[in-house]
Amino acid sequence: KQEVTQIPAALSVPEGENLVLNCSFTDSAIYNLQWFRQDPGKGLTSLLLIQSSQREQTSGRLNASLDKSSGRSTLYIAASQPGDSATYLCAVRTSGGSNYKLTFGKGTLLTVNP
Amino acid sequence: DAGVIQSPRHEVTEMGQEVTLRCKPISGHDYLFWYRQTMMRGLELLIYFNNNVPIDDSGMPEDRFSAKMPNASFSTLKIQPSEPRDSAVYFCASRPTGVDTQYFGPGTRLTVL
Repeated sequence: KQEVTQIPAALSVPEGENLVLNCSFTDSAIYNLQWFRQDPGKGLTSLLLIQSSQREQTSGRLNASLDKSSGRSTLYIAASQPGDSATYLCAVRTSGGSNYKLTFGKGTLLTVNP
Repeated sequence: DAGVIQSPRHEVTEMGQEVTLRCKPISGHDYLFWYRQTMMRGLELLIYFNNNVPIDDSGMPEDRFSAKMPNASFSTLKIQPSEPRDSAVYFCASRPTGVDTQYFGPGTRLTVL
């Protein structure tokens, strides 16, 4: 059974700092991995999706990397801003084909202080 | 596009009552997912549909939970009878064929007293 762990559970940083969020998964035979953002009282928004054949994906100040063999992914946020404050979740899709089940970590609550 | 719509946004009920949560997926999306989020267990997939047909309901916790999708624009998740341990935020998400990203609704916060 796939298990996804995110460390740390919470992180507080001053504005402008670069930071890294971590995600680990137990079964390295994944199809893809996604990073989501969740704002209080709202649903999840997909930030980046990395296919199993890829090593990283970038969008603006965000960069996600994937190391399948070690069962790890990181989300790098450059020059953090107060608007980046949210909970960040990673999710793994273990099977391909018609199985679209995602397994989520419990998230990292990020606070960026002005 | 209005995005995924869920109703109600908040529901408070008493133990033993029937609860019905509703979801309208994004038009043209043929996959629909129901999730439950709690502090203890995080976000868990309950069930998902493809073209209105349930594909995987292995995450449905027990027989008290049931989900239906009578047409492409509407789905319900019903809990009968409800129990305090069902208190959680329930999310609905949808996605179109060929795109791996799921689009989430704002969730329904359920409190069972």
